[in-house]
Amino acid sequence: QQQVKQSPQSLIVQKGGISIINCAYENTAFDYFPWYQQFPGKGPALLIAIRPDVSEKKEGRFTISFNKSAKQFSLHIMDSQPGDSATYFCAGKNNLFFGTGTRLTVIP
Amino acid sequence: EPEVTQTPSHQVTQMGQEVILRCVPISNHLYFYWYRQILGQKVEFLVSFYNNEISEKSEIFDDQFSVERPDGSNFTLKIRSTKLEDSAMYFCASSVKVNTEAFFGQGTRLTVV
Repeated sequence: QQQVKQSPQSLIVQKGGISIINCAYENTAFDYFPWYQQFPGKGPALLIAIRPDVSEKKEGRFTISFNKSAKQFSLHIMDSQPGDSATYFCAGKNNLFFGTGTRLTVIP
Repeated sequence: EPEVTQTPSHQVTQMGQEVILRCVPISNHLYFYWYRQILGQKVEFLVSFYNNEISEKSEIFDDQFSVERPDGSNFTLKIRSTKLEDSAMYFCASSVKVNTEAFFGQGTRLTVV
């Protein structure tokens, strides 16, 4: 049983474009919704996270949008840069469940 | 900046052998985790550890696996009788409290031959 479902599996975006990655969760008891960024050969690192008491959180070019009724949260990367090329994972339930990952490629 | 450190960075072992992967979590963190990641695939949770005992474990974490905090700083994952399919990157992570950022180490690449 997949507790978090992530899409798309891969994404190619032009430099300066907007990257959008989605995550759907099943368990309404989740109360911490993080996005992790992973570069090849490295461990995942927290990019941005949100709690269910707010619908949106923005940190620089990165925004999480949270839709409690739809049980979804998404990551928006504005003005995408080649340095953003990495794999992104959503997670749930105290970091126990990770999505399948989205490989983002930003073309210069 | 505090970080989670893992040793060794790469371990090659023969099938059937036991391996111990070592981790030093961030010093004031209370929750510790082990994950594995088969090349190019998702991060899979193995086990979480709090207050000197396992708090959660996945279906992957069977009798072949064990964890230990032998002293105040180290956190180890032991794999008994390794199998070819145990080949993966193993990540240790720690967090200050539940439902907060998990800080990951750089990983140990385990290759079973």
